[in-house]
Amino acid sequence: ELKVEQNPLFLSMQEGKNYTIYCNYSTTSDRLYWYRQDPGKSLESLFVLLSNGAVKQEGRLMASLDTKARLSTLHITAAVHDLSATYFCAVRRWTGNQFYFGTGTSLTVIP
Amino acid sequence: GAVVSQHPSWVICKSGTSVKIECRSLDFQATTMFWYRQFPKQSLMLMATSNEGSKATYEQGVEKDKFLINHASLTLSTLTVTSAHPEDSSFYICSARDLDSNQPQHFGDGTRLSIL
Repeated sequence: ELKVEQNPLFLSMQEGKNYTIYCNYSTTSDRLYWYRQDPGKSLESLFVLLSNGAVKQEGRLMASLDTKARLSTLHITAAVHDLSATYFCAVRRWTGNQFYFGTGTSLTVIP
Repeated sequence: GAVVSQHPSWVICKSGTSVKIECRSLDFQATTMFWYRQFPKQSLMLMATSNEGSKATYEQGVEKDKFLINHASLTLSTLTVTSAHPEDSSFYICSARDLDSNQPQHFGDGTRLSIL
């Protein structure tokens, strides 16, 4: 059974601070995706990580992938209130292309 | 960019009725679409994989007779929740995969289903 776990589940942080969200998965995969979800909304694609060692940055968010450790990180730099949302990682299964989502991290940035 | 349209966005029905949700890829062909269910403050759970022209593949624990999936064309998949009950109330999200496999799935805006 494919498992995708995120840590932490809930995160409250002050503006201007840094933090890292972790995503561990249990099966071989070379594609890791990060999404943002605002309350009552669908998913917004943030990053697609396609290979071991991949690092992508967009604004205050940076994502990385270590396929050997089956670990991806989403690093938040100098958080701002607009980043408050729930963040999901997702792993694509080799066969069938199904996506399996992590447990989600609910982020609240406090002014 | 690629767009997936989901309809309706919100539906409230009485218990026992059937509800159909549509998922359309607007500017690309999707041989494969996926249906997810999300309960409040929980993650997305894959329900089934919808394959154009063939039967859907259901995840373990998902009742295929309860959640009927039809993928009759390369741009449309439908999910019908049959004889819906309050416990079926959830946020249903579809996604479609572009034929270019390097592209991520494109997600619809979701359908909030409330069964009274």
